[in-house]
Amino acid sequence: SQKIEQNSEALNIQEGKTATLTCNYTNYSPAYLQWYRQDPGRGPVFLLLIRENEKEKRKERLKVTFDTTLKQSLFHITASQPADSATYLCALSTGNQFYFGTGTSLTVIP
Amino acid sequence: DAGITQSPRYKITETGRQVTLMCHQTWSHSYMFWYRQDLGHGLRLIYYSAAADITDKGEVPDGYVVSRSKTENFPLTLESATRSQTSVYFCASAGASSGNTIYFGEGSWLTVV
Repeated sequence: SQKIEQNSEALNIQEGKTATLTCNYTNYSPAYLQWYRQDPGRGPVFLLLIRENEKEKRKERLKVTFDTTLKQSLFHITASQPADSATYLCALSTGNQFYFGTGTSLTVIP
Repeated sequence: DAGITQSPRYKITETGRQVTLMCHQTWSHSYMFWYRQDLGHGLRLIYYSAAADITDKGEVPDGYVVSRSKTENFPLTLESATRSQTSVYFCASAGASSGNTIYFGEGSWLTVV
């Protein structure tokens, strides 16, 4: 089965800096790699999707890269704000199976 | 928009009791999923369904039963609840209209005492 590792359980950064979160996976390469945001007591919310043939995807202050050779995705939040504080989940999907990492808790310090 | 709703949101039950968590989605998504989320384990797939009357096991199906008689509903039943089933349960759906992304409900917090 697919194994997904996200870099650290918790990441603290200063407001205005760029946060970089890592997602590594084993076994086969997924067709899609996705990032979700989860706030305490809430369900995960979709942020970005990147396909296996795409290297990079951007949405406002968010950027995702996908390296199928390294089996790694990086998720960047530029000009971070305290409102970006949340847990970010990496998810891999092949067909209609979705596998999630354990998440990285991000705290942006004012 | 309501999208996907779960009930109950919070439930305390006793060991050995049967519990059903309900999930309803309004998007007509073909796929529906049940995950449990526990500290240190992240989201783990319990069961999923590709369409009405089609269900399949995920990573951790033992002790759970699902059914899907209608596209919009996907209830999860704990036949005889155990303390190890204390968790947060998330229902989710995906379909052609969701562009290969998965949409989650707000979760059901279940405590088995």
